[in-house]
Amino acid sequence: QKEVEQDPGPLSVPEGAIVSLNCTYSNSAFQYFMWYRQYSRKGPELLMYTYSSGNKEDGRFTAQVDKSSKYISLFIRDSQPSDSATYLCAMKDAGGTSYGKLTFGQGTILTVHP
Amino acid sequence: EPEVTQTPSHQVTQMGQEVILRCVPISNHLYFYWYRQILGQKVEFLVSFYNNEISEKSEIFDDQFSVERPDGSNFTLKIRSTKLEDSAMYFCASSPDANYGYTFGSGTRLTVV
Repeated sequence: QKEVEQDPGPLSVPEGAIVSLNCTYSNSAFQYFMWYRQYSRKGPELLMYTYSSGNKEDGRFTAQVDKSSKYISLFIRDSQPSDSATYLCAMKDAGGTSYGKLTFGQGTILTVHP
Repeated sequence: EPEVTQTPSHQVTQMGQEVILRCVPISNHLYFYWYRQILGQKVEFLVSFYNNEISEKSEIFDDQFSVERPDGSNFTLKIRSTKLEDSAMYFCASSPDANYGYTFGSGTRLTVV
């Protein structure tokens, strides 16, 4: 079983739609959960950062973490063509010998068409 | 907004040659990282660096690779005797704390021919 699984898509939605992106993971030691956005041939850009379970909202973006199900989600409301990118989930554990190593999902390619 | 700067943006090298990828992390960050992304694959961790030493490395980061912070601003990744399979995007990242989101650079696309 892969440590982090993410449906690569591609996902195509009309402008204004609500987008749901998801990742599952197997390592129960993961405590910190992130969503990155990556445009073609660019570096990942941090969108959301959450610790442990719960919800976090930032503008049109909401991140949810359900540690009991080992499942994280990113919701994008009122999606825009400029949201078209690859969305990467990433996670890390809290300590021990980990100095911040992130484990990434495969990335979901999202296209928002006008 | 502060950013992580990587140079060059694209490097082409012959198999067996040595390359040095350069990064300037955000000035007040203390943790530095290298990741790579082979085309169509996941972003993979290579190494983390803190307090002037390697704090963690992956199985990928073997004796072919080394990192250095030669001065107060630069952070370099050296790849000795490059192989075709080293062709990838290499990303530098930095963070103020290990338990914090990272800022990634735009990457160096390494092509080994």
